[in-house]
Amino acid sequence: AQSVTQPDIHITVSEGASLELRCNYSYGATPYLFWYVQSPGQGLQLLLKYFSGDTLVQGIKGFEAEFKRSQSSFNLRKPSVHWSDAAEYFCAVFLGNNDMRFGAGTRLTVKP
Amino acid sequence: GAVVSQHPSRVICKSGTSVKIECRSLDFQATTMFWYRQFPKQSLMLMATSNEGSKATYEQGVEKDKFLINHASLTLSTLTVTSAHPEDSSFYICSARVVHLNYGYTFGSGTRLTVV
Repeated sequence: AQSVTQPDIHITVSEGASLELRCNYSYGATPYLFWYVQSPGQGLQLLLKYFSGDTLVQGIKGFEAEFKRSQSSFNLRKPSVHWSDAAEYFCAVFLGNNDMRFGAGTRLTVKP
Repeated sequence: GAVVSQHPSRVICKSGTSVKIECRSLDFQATTMFWYRQFPKQSLMLMATSNEGSKATYEQGVEKDKFLINHASLTLSTLTVTSAHPEDSSFYICSARVVHLNYGYTFGSGTRLTVV
């Protein structure tokens, strides 16, 4: 089955520390991959996306993600986390034909 | 660009009443909009896909007579929760696919529905 897995339900990091959020997908072809962030009570904001080309993509707010075909992964990273980064993060895969699949989300807590 | 405005952000209604949620694309035309439901601490569940000028396509298990979707124009889609019950309380989010975002979706800010 085609799916998106975010293994970590909740991650806590200290402010200023580095961050990596994991995302694995199961899909037969090269997918279109996305990372979204959701603040409490808000909609989703697009952080970055990957379609093809350079496997390291840069996004907004200092985030980047690396597509690794061999590992079927698209992990999100940030070198230094800020308190305002505390939110829910969703990985998503666009399968075509208006079919967008979301992972279960990873909640990020930032310690002062 | 590519902003979707969703209203209301919060609504409380009595059991048995109906509630309408609106989503407007402010600076682009959205031929297709998507309605999601999100339970606390869970991911988004696609409820239905609405296409301008035609009937919405509902996902399996979603009651189309309870969740009425209308997409009468290229900039407006509405979700009406009819005869609401407490179990309909949830966070509802709309989104639209934006062509110039290359299949990226832009999302409304969500509506927190509480049925009492």
